[in-house]
Amino acid sequence: GQNIDQPTEMTATEGAIVQINCTYQTSGFNGLFWYQQHAGEAPTFLSYNVLDGLEEKGRFSSFLSRSKGYSYLLLKELQMKDSASYLCAVRDQTGANNLFFGTGTRLTVIP
Amino acid sequence: DVKVTQSSRYLVKRTGEKVFLECVQDMDHENMFWYRQDPGLGLRLIYFSYDVKMKEKGDIPEGYSVSREKKERFSLILESASTNQTSMYLCATSPGQKTQYFGPGTRLLVL
Repeated sequence: GQNIDQPTEMTATEGAIVQINCTYQTSGFNGLFWYQQHAGEAPTFLSYNVLDGLEEKGRFSSFLSRSKGYSYLLLKELQMKDSASYLCAVRDQTGANNLFFGTGTRLTVIP
Repeated sequence: DVKVTQSSRYLVKRTGEKVFLECVQDMDHENMFWYRQDPGLGLRLIYFSYDVKMKEKGDIPEGYSVSREKKERFSLILESASTNQTSMYLCATSPGQKTQYFGPGTRLLVL
């Protein structure tokens, strides 16, 4: 089976940096995704990691350590519009290569 | 841009009614998915399809069925709606083993 854990809620200040952690246990790891979801809207793709290390994309970066079953999403220069839920999802080869989602971290950015 | 559309944004049905949720994509993606999203539970996979007329059960298929007669269209059917099927339903598509693109979602209320 799969087990994905991430914090339920976080609060950070506009202009600051925030790190959202995700730990996972899966038998056939085949990649990790981060999605952003604003309230009442569909999730949108942010990043994909399949090898260890850091992937940077503008203000957003994502890190993966497969040996530790750990990933984080780093958001820099926070803006009010970054207030959203951030979903960690793991692809599992033993699960027909489908995605398994965590429950999401609701980030609130305050002035 | 990938475009995934769902037939309704909001739907209200009565217990016992048959409910059809339609998803259409315009990017010729092979894979299509139906999820439901509930507070505290995250996204859970109901059914998926890797090709026309092909369907596979996800994690929570009970009470649902699907139909994929054409590549671009994937329908979710609630044979006899129940109140515990009140939820947000999200359709997603993907080209092979790449990221999934989500539709805007259908918020279903069963009374």
